[in-house]
Amino acid sequence: GQNIDQPTEMTATEGAIVQINCTYQTSGFNGLFWYQQHAGEAPTFLSYNVLDGLEEKGRFSSFLSRSKGYSYLLLKELQMKDSASYLCAARDSNYQLIWGAGTKLIIKP
Amino acid sequence: ETGVTQTPRHLVMGMTNKKSLKCEQHLGHNAMYWYKQSAKKPLELMFVYNFKEQTENNSVPSRFSPECPNSSHLFLHLHTLQPEDSALYLCASSQGYGDSYEQYFGPGTRLTVT
Repeated sequence: GQNIDQPTEMTATEGAIVQINCTYQTSGFNGLFWYQQHAGEAPTFLSYNVLDGLEEKGRFSSFLSRSKGYSYLLLKELQMKDSASYLCAARDSNYQLIWGAGTKLIIKP
Repeated sequence: ETGVTQTPRHLVMGMTNKKSLKCEQHLGHNAMYWYKQSAKKPLELMFVYNFKEQTENNSVPSRFSPECPNSSHLFLHLHTLQPEDSALYLCASSQGYGDSYEQYFGPGTRLTVT
């Protein structure tokens, strides 16, 4: 079966760095997405990786290892507004998105 | 504001009611999606329309009926729902279907079935 695993909840301190991991098992692979979802709001696109390596976009970076079926989202200089759920989704060979249940990130002052 | 709007934002309905959810995208996208989001569960893809044609129907019960009259509008018709259908229903759109196209989500309709 197809599956995405990510931690249910993480806590970090304002100003610090946090890494949210995601492992995937899919039938084929056509890229991995990260989305941010604040409570009561729509998910919003953060990043897309299809090749191995690190993609940096401001305070957020995303990493992919296709051989390991592994990705992480790195958030630097954490701000209170980064408190949200972070959703990992992998695209399979049929271009369907397989979603994780999301990681709730709690930022403490 | 993502360019995708959904109405209503909240809906309470009895199991014998019939209601419809509406989604509209103002982004000129060609693909539209319905998702179900339940607490602490992954997003469940329900339906996909690409250029107004339904391309995916992920074993969704017939009490959910989608309609896509044009590439900007998507409806989800609901009838004789069950309490376990209570969830957040999200609409999304993307430039195309597949490849690297990211999806833009609406704010969702919070549905409660009593």
